[in-house]
Amino acid sequence: QQPVQSPQAVILREGEDAVINCSSSKALYSVHWYRQKHGEAPVFLMILLKGGEQKGHEKISASFNEKKQQSSLYLTASQLSYSGTYFCGTEIKNRDDKIIFGKGTRLHILP
Amino acid sequence: DVKVTQSSRYLVKRTGEKVFLECVQDMDHENMFWYRQDPGLGLRLIYFSYDVKMKEKGDIPEGYSVSREKKERFSLILESASTNQTSMYLCASSSPKTGGNEQFFGPGTRLTVL
Repeated sequence: QQPVQSPQAVILREGEDAVINCSSSKALYSVHWYRQKHGEAPVFLMILLKGGEQKGHEKISASFNEKKQQSSLYLTASQLSYSGTYFCGTEIKNRDDKIIFGKGTRLHILP
Repeated sequence: DVKVTQSSRYLVKRTGEKVFLECVQDMDHENMFWYRQDPGLGLRLIYFSYDVKMKEKGDIPEGYSVSREKKERFSLILESASTNQTSMYLCASSSPKTGGNEQFFGPGTRLTVL
């Protein structure tokens, strides 16, 4: 039931791009993305609802392919501040209110 | 801004002790959640609550119980702490009225059971 994230870890140099994937074996209503910096609480980035929309947040965007039950998070021209662990969370149905999180993807940006 | 606070940042207890972890949110959110976070395992849901006095089991409820007597407060109880409950515990709240139903997390309590 837990969504599968890939890769588990990424090391980039500042300015490079990264893609983090999240896939589920169940039909999804929505996908959430969160970022957790070291020693801090996870912080909400964006939510994608069923319908295949793509969203953006500064240089971070995401897509949701509901047919494949997959979501991807795109980080372009990465900055040092993007370092942290990224979690996807999935909702199975509307108003489910419960989110099941993946194991996370650790992203480390080098100067 | 939504604020979720947890009673302690660090806690050390002995095996067999009863442990209470408190969480308070100030935005009138209906939903509250308790997770534990362990390296390589991500955020795993222990219990959640949709309303006062309501509770639902998450994926790993064994060894835990919860209490929600007031809307703003959600307590996690370890009836008899064991060493395998050493972990980071995160509380979160959300509301379907905020549109995205995004969760707001507290700073976490790092619990060590000796």
